[in-house]
Amino acid sequence: GQQLNQSPQSMFIQEGEDVSMNCTSSSIFNTWLWYKQDPGEGPVLLIALYKAGELTSNGRLTAQFGITRKDSFLNISASIPSDVGIYFCAGQRVQGAQKLVFGQGTRLTINP
Amino acid sequence: GAVVSQHPSRVICKSGTSVKIECRSLDFQATTMFWYRQFPKKSLMLMATSNEGSKATYEQGVEKDKFLINHASLTLSTLTVTSAHPEDSSFYICSASGLAKETQYFGPGTRLLVL
Repeated sequence: GQQLNQSPQSMFIQEGEDVSMNCTSSSIFNTWLWYKQDPGEGPVLLIALYKAGELTSNGRLTAQFGITRKDSFLNISASIPSDVGIYFCAGQRVQGAQKLVFGQGTRLTINP
Repeated sequence: GAVVSQHPSRVICKSGTSVKIECRSLDFQATTMFWYRQFPKKSLMLMATSNEGSKATYEQGVEKDKFLINHASLTLSTLTVTSAHPEDSSFYICSASGLAKETQYFGPGTRLLVL
């Protein structure tokens, strides 16, 4: 099925560094969501974005809904070991109406 | 709030048997539940969408007679893998959205191994 273009696919960083990842699409989405998945677990919602241009923070995480509605980014500041995992972006074409389209995921590895 | 559970967390079964996986919304009413399948190091693939009290809508390529979905109440949906085969081995994850349909909350997943 169709997926969002998420990049980078993987990141290897030092503890304390900032992280940035993004998702792009050729079509418009009206909701953008960012999830984190730990090994053997289900995705956990980090941030939900509902308006174009919206910038939302959740602790050290900040995400933005692109003004064109075709992209979103997630930043993590001052990374810590527990940030390790796979981050997925997901979009809904129609707000609150069912299907999510997922990105391929960004695997984050942190060297202590 | 918005907690979704799945049971069992992992199951091993013999080829040809059927396996039922439960998905429950613990603290909200889930009008819609979704079933996903995830292969190692891959993203989530939507299998079907189920609304309480109605038949599930399956994604293209997903066999409805193979993957039976029942959403009999606002807090429970079940996925039954019928006549399981080794190629059905995978990580199955459900999600649920509430009356406001604001977003999807995911369960912890069920790892199925068919021998």
